[in-house]
Amino acid sequence: GAVVSQHPSWVICKSGTSVKIECRSLDFQATTMFWYRQFPKQSLMLMATSNEGSKATYEQGVEKDKFLINHASLTLSTLTVTSAHPEDSSFYICSATPDRRANYGYTFGSGTRLTVV
Amino acid sequence: AQSVTQLDSQVPVFEEAPVELRCNYSSSVSVYLFWYVQYPNQGLQLLLKYLSGSTLVKGINGFEAEFNKSQTSFHLRKPSVHISDTAEYFCAVSDLLTGGFKTIFGAGTRLFVKA
Repeated sequence: GAVVSQHPSWVICKSGTSVKIECRSLDFQATTMFWYRQFPKQSLMLMATSNEGSKATYEQGVEKDKFLINHASLTLSTLTVTSAHPEDSSFYICSATPDRRANYGYTFGSGTRLTVV
Repeated sequence: AQSVTQLDSQVPVFEEAPVELRCNYSSSVSVYLFWYVQYPNQGLQLLLKYLSGSTLVKGINGFEAEFNKSQTSFHLRKPSVHISDTAEYFCAVSDLLTGGFKTIFGAGTRLFVKA
């Protein structure tokens, strides 16, 4: 079945530094990947839609310059949290589908716990 | 705009008892419906999905869900739960207006199975 690998699984960084999170589709090509943010005991909030070879589409209220998304290949999307601050601490999850249509359902990465100190 | 409402934030239940997790959605167009499970500090795993056809959908781990168009509901059920079913469950909907592309998640229901 479709597998999505997300790294790192957890990261602690100092305030003001940048952190890169990788999302890879291991056994399929993902034209589109999605990045979500999840606060404790809350649902997933879609941050952006990452399209291979083009700019990401950000949801309203998500700072493009703070959350940089790059989708350079059909199997890799990266999310970089720039100049991280404690309020950026959260659980970040990516997902991908082998097909642009959602009827496949999405395969999710295992998530990245970011703690900014 | 679409929305997904999971009516219960927490559902405690004893082991081997049946359980139902409720989900209602609002959409003016046809939709795809999903249930996902999330274990602590992990991503989401697809339990089952409704695309079309039979309104009763069977998924993994003994779960099933029934699509009710008139009530715009997609409740998740399991006849006998195990301790290992303790997790967060998310209902999600994608509407065909966007090609089923964008998925909206409910707030989640924490299922807690007690011995």
